[in-house]
Amino acid sequence: KQEVTQIPAALSVPEGENLVLNCSFTDSAIYNLQWFRQDPGKGLTSLLLIQSSQREQTSGRLNASLDKSSGRSTLYIAASQPGDSATYLCAVSLNDMRFGAGTRLTVKP
Amino acid sequence: DTGVSQDPRHKITKRGQNVTFRCDPISEHNRLYWYRQTLGQGPEFLTYFQNEAQLEKSRLLSDRFSAERPKGSFSTLEIQRTEQGDSAMYLCASSLGVGNTEAFFGQGTRLTVV
Repeated sequence: KQEVTQIPAALSVPEGENLVLNCSFTDSAIYNLQWFRQDPGKGLTSLLLIQSSQREQTSGRLNASLDKSSGRSTLYIAASQPGDSATYLCAVSLNDMRFGAGTRLTVKP
Repeated sequence: DTGVSQDPRHKITKRGQNVTFRCDPISEHNRLYWYRQTLGQGPEFLTYFQNEAQLEKSRLLSDRFSAERPKGSFSTLEIQRTEQGDSAMYLCASSLGVGNTEAFFGQGTRLTVV
């Protein structure tokens, strides 16, 4: 059974810092890994999709990497802003999607 | 708006009542997922459909829960004889299909059982 773990559970940083969120998974047989953002009481917004054959994807200030053999992914956020405050979730897909518990990020002005 | 749509957004019900939620996926997305999320936790997988076929159900989906996708378009999730422990956010997502396709989520239905 696929287990997904996200570290840290919570993170608080001052505005402008670069930061890294971690995601690990136990079964490397995946099609893709997707990072999502969730604001309180809302649904999930897709940030980046990394296919199993890819090593990384970039969108604006976000960069996600994937090391499938070691079961790890990182989400790098450059020059963090207060608007980045949210919970960040990673999900791995084979036939269904399995999620970690998320990292709750607070960026202080 | 061509995103995933869920209805209702909020539902308050008394314990023991039945409730039904609806999800309209993005047009032409043939895969549809249901998840449950409680406060501070990641989404827990409930079930998914490929077109009208329900391909997998979690053990979390007890016999009080049933999901349908009758024509391979919208889906419904019904909870019978609701319990306080059913209080959660119920999320629906859709994607084009298997493999390397991006999944998109709706805004969720917040269920409160009193």
